[in-house]
Amino acid sequence: QAGLTQPPSVSKDLRQTATLTCTGNSNNVGNQGAAWLQQHQGHPPKLLSYSNNNRPSGISERFSASRSGDTASLTITGLQPEDEADYYCSSWDSNLSAYVFGTGTKVTVL
Amino acid sequence: EVQLVESGGIVVQPGGSLRLSCAASGFKFDDYILHWVRQASGKGLEWVCLVSWDRGRTYYADSVKGRFTISRDNSKNSLYLQMHSLTTEDTALYYCAREREGALDYWGQGTLVTVSS
Repeated sequence: QAGLTQPPSVSKDLRQTATLTCTGNSNNVGNQGAAWLQQHQGHPPKLLSYSNNNRPSGISERFSASRSGDTASLTITGLQPEDEADYYCSSWDSNLSAYVFGTGTKVTVL
Repeated sequence: EVQLVESGGIVVQPGGSLRLSCAASGFKFDDYILHWVRQASGKGLEWVCLVSWDRGRTYYADSVKGRFTISRDNSKNSLYLQMHSLTTEDTALYYCAREREGALDYWGQGTLVTVSS
């Protein structure tokens, strides 16, 4: 089943801003929106954003999400060392009747 | 506090079967859609299947369709994954996760399934 496309890696300096992208199509991101997950090595994923830009309780305001057409974005402002992690987008695909994940982006804070 | 605790992962031979369990607590279990997601070592997240709150709807990834069956027992706050005809491609850490508004908002720690002879 086709997934969502994310760049493999993003590297930014400490305290800079990183923008991650997630490209799908009209059956998933374009219609259903996207959620964003953060996963540190050796830990389960943690939800950062859902319904395009709602943050669960406890998630920093430095994480913000948006969507334009079939592409969702996650912006991390004021990058911190603890933001080094893998980031995944996800969405429901109404054509496939399947939940789909992005390929994942590894964020490195220099 | 929401908790999801998976169990049942072991080493199994190719062609074998296995049943995973996920015990839930801290929320009204039968209000939520539940998923299984797996992750092979060093790889990304792969969605496996989901079951609706009333067991009325189940959906599966093509890679497991016809081999895996998801079920739930709302009286026991438990989710299950019955796996048959396992191959080495099924080796992964298996997570159960709760869905809220289209997103997987709580995840367990995972249980490791290794398919090897």
